[in-house]
Amino acid sequence: DQQVKQNSPSLSVQEGRISILNCDYTNSMFDYFLWYKKYPAEGPTFLISISSIKDKNEDGRFTVFLNKSAKHLSLHIVPSQPGDSAVYFCAASHTGTASKLTFGTGTRLQVTL
Amino acid sequence: NAGVTQTPKFRVLKTGQSMTLLCAQDMNHEYMYWYRQDPGMGLRLIHYSVGEGTTAKGEVPDGYNVSRLKKQNFLLGLESAAPSQTSVYFCASRVGGTNEKLFFGSGTQLSVL
Repeated sequence: DQQVKQNSPSLSVQEGRISILNCDYTNSMFDYFLWYKKYPAEGPTFLISISSIKDKNEDGRFTVFLNKSAKHLSLHIVPSQPGDSAVYFCAASHTGTASKLTFGTGTRLQVTL
Repeated sequence: NAGVTQTPKFRVLKTGQSMTLLCAQDMNHEYMYWYRQDPGMGLRLIHYSVGEGTTAKGEVPDGYNVSRLKKQNFLLGLESAAPSQTSVYFCASRVGGTNEKLFFGSGTQLSVL
């Protein structure tokens, strides 16, 4: 039972354009959401997070949007840069569970010149 | 400041052999985790620890054991390796409290023949 789903295995975007990565979840107990970025042969690195009490969080070129009623979140990268090419994982947890993150399957983003 | 260090980076085992993966963190983090990453499956939690001397099962604990004898170290053991345990293993750690991000190591690529 995949509680966190990333239905797009890959995405290709031109440099300078917006990248939109999507994530859906089924567990209504989730109240904290994170995006991680992973380069080949490296561990995932934290990118941005959002609490369920918010619907938007920004950090530079990265913005995460949360739609609780739809159980959907998205990561926007504007403008996209070649260095953003990586696999992006959506993750979720709920308070009181020792931050045991449940991860999606990942979306491979390729930013082309 | 090394962060989270995993040893070894690569290992090939024969079915039935045993081994221990070592994770060490120098950030004085309370919580530590072991995940495995498989193609199309995202990262799945094997075991975790909320403090020195404590361990708990995650989503996929069968075939693995763990120990947290020292706060900075979290060991993952395979007593009798099986081909199904071929995977990339990631260790992570975080501070105590709620909704804190995880810091990951660079991973161990394990192949069981």
